[in-house]
Amino acid sequence: GQSLEQPSEVTAVEGAIVQINCTYQTSGFYGLSWYQQHDGGAPTFLSYNGLDGLEETGRFSSFLSRSDSYGYLLLQELQMKDSASYFCAVRDLNYQLIWGAGTKLIIKP
Amino acid sequence: GAGVSQSPSNKVTEKGKDVELRCDPISGHTALYWYRQSLGQGLEFLIYFQGNSAPDKSGLPSDRFSAERTGGSVSTLTIQRTQQEDSAVYLCASSAGLDVETQYFGPGTRLLVL
Repeated sequence: GQSLEQPSEVTAVEGAIVQINCTYQTSGFYGLSWYQQHDGGAPTFLSYNGLDGLEETGRFSSFLSRSDSYGYLLLQELQMKDSASYFCAVRDLNYQLIWGAGTKLIIKP
Repeated sequence: GAGVSQSPSNKVTEKGKDVELRCDPISGHTALYWYRQSLGQGLEFLIYFQGNSAPDKSGLPSDRFSAERTGGSVSTLTIQRTQQEDSAVYLCASSAGLDVETQYFGPGTRLLVL
């Protein structure tokens, strides 16, 4: 079967750095994406890794290791507005986007 | 349009009734996706369109679900004989192409089946 595993909840302090991990098992792999979703809102695209390595976009970075079927999202200089759920998603060979269950990020002042 | 729009924003229906959900993608986006999200859960992929064509319908939960897209633009997701387990948020997204990773999501339709 196809599955993505990510922690259900992570807690961090404002201004700190947090890493959200994602491991996947899918039938084929085109790339790993990360989305942010605030409560009651729609998901918004954060980053994409098609190849191994680190992609940096401002305070957010994403990493992929295809040999380990593993990736992570790194959030730096945490702000209260970063409190949200973060989803990893893998595009399989049928162009379907398979989603993890999401990680709820709680930020404390 | 400026973004993906969906209607209605909320829908309450009685078990056994049919419902139709509408998605209007970003103008020029050839790929369109439907997802379902239950409370506190991740997104469940339902179906995608490239143009007006849906090559793979295996993600639809049952034969009560159907979707179509006309004119390479608006899409409708129809649920026949609704059941209580169909209650969820139905999200639509579009992208410039199947090989473009960034998907832009609409605000969703919150469906409640009583």
